[in-house]
Amino acid sequence: NAGVTQTPKFRILKIGQSMTLQCTQDMNHNYMYWYRQDPGMGLKLIYYSVGAGITDKGEVPNGYNVSRSTTEDFPLRLELAAPSQTSVYFCASSYSLAGGARTGELFFGEGSRLTVL
Amino acid sequence: DAKTTQPPSMDCAEGRAANLPCNHSTISGNEYVYWYRQIHSQGPQYIIHGLKNNETNEMASLIITEDRKSSTLILPHATLRDTAVYYCIVSVANNLFFGTGTRLTVIP
Repeated sequence: NAGVTQTPKFRILKIGQSMTLQCTQDMNHNYMYWYRQDPGMGLKLIYYSVGAGITDKGEVPNGYNVSRSTTEDFPLRLELAAPSQTSVYFCASSYSLAGGARTGELFFGEGSRLTVL
Repeated sequence: DAKTTQPPSMDCAEGRAANLPCNHSTISGNEYVYWYRQIHSQGPQYIIHGLKNNETNEMASLIITEDRKSSTLILPHATLRDTAVYYCIVSVANNLFFGTGTRLTVIP
């Protein structure tokens, strides 16, 4: 049981390049999330998904896209990388809705550290 | 956007109880209080959550005041491995707002 797995762990991009951060979970969780964390700051929600085929925007969605074709996978796409997207990206999943009563516990991956130069 | 207020840093002697306060004066009646921690730059780790009643699990205890405007996370016997940033979060539908948290340093 690997939990939440993110790849790559580190990546350097040039301005204007595109890439996809991969996230997969093996806990059969319906809910999945992408957060970003800038240095010295808390986490901010980019996108989330409540199930396969359903996604919605979080606080800071601009410059990103997501898709959810399976329960297990929730990739995050950066289309035109900008220096402002230099951050650590965390994928998370939960059994029930984050913040809810019934075990809305988030399980996080180890993060993907992205630098845009 | 932060709905909680936490001290930026605290120290605690190893073996002592660590009491981490959190103010959430605008909390709504159906919003939960969650605590997570982040060790180094790893992904945050769930600790505990509660609505009204005090809660305890194998990691910590959560004390919520009767008016629910503040809470305290208690680590009963802090160890060096408890050194981390602790986030107090009031839940909002589909999201947990992570502020900047409290950096707890456990001192030998």
